[in-house]
Amino acid sequence: GAGVSQSPSNKVTEKGKDVELRCDPISGHTALYWYRQSLGQGLEFLIYFQGNSAPDKSGLPSDRFSAERTGGSVSTLTIQRTQQEDSAVYLCASSLQGEGTQYFGPGTRLLVL
Amino acid sequence: GQQVMQIPQYQHVQEGEDFTTYCNSSTTLSNIQWYKQRPGGHPVFLIQLVKSGEVKKQKRLTFQFGEAKKNSSLHITATQTTDVGTYFCAADRGGNTPLVFGKGTRLSVIA
Repeated sequence: GAGVSQSPSNKVTEKGKDVELRCDPISGHTALYWYRQSLGQGLEFLIYFQGNSAPDKSGLPSDRFSAERTGGSVSTLTIQRTQQEDSAVYLCASSLQGEGTQYFGPGTRLLVL
Repeated sequence: GQQVMQIPQYQHVQEGEDFTTYCNSSTTLSNIQWYKQRPGGHPVFLIQLVKSGEVKKQKRLTFQFGEAKKNSSLHITATQTTDVGTYFCAADRGGNTPLVFGKGTRLSVIA
């Protein structure tokens, strides 16, 4: 596609449920990032995939958070046993290389009730 | 870990006034990038600075990279309401490491 896409655009879930957020990066981009942005706040780095290297998971806030990137393309961010403090916009970005310009998707707005 | 300090956190200006946001790192950077996020939108790349002392301009926006490659600034001349949004710097430490984003400066422009 022309840009980074994310789905769903909005997700409302109940506390304790698991959610899966999907990111389709720009074709050919080897680097993929997940960020979390709470209302009015900055970008909180979560995880970084670069080619075939082991992902940098240093930003994941707890073991309830995990992410996969299959075939070097699509990525899924999974949040298990969601909590109300997980409510935020989850942004995905991709770049040609790890240090290149990042192209952001529109984000998934997650609300945990 | 690596931190990038960005100031101010908020800035309210009258339309036509100038605006500057600053980004500082404790370590030397490979390069620095600037992004703009409009309200309700996602961050969009503005520019990348690579060379020591580099200055780049985009219309009313002037970007600078410090001589020591540890700090950067974004200056907007004669702000307009279309400049409203949050401006983020993103630091590249080099190597196969992810960019580090500043917390952003939220600009409000009063018409």
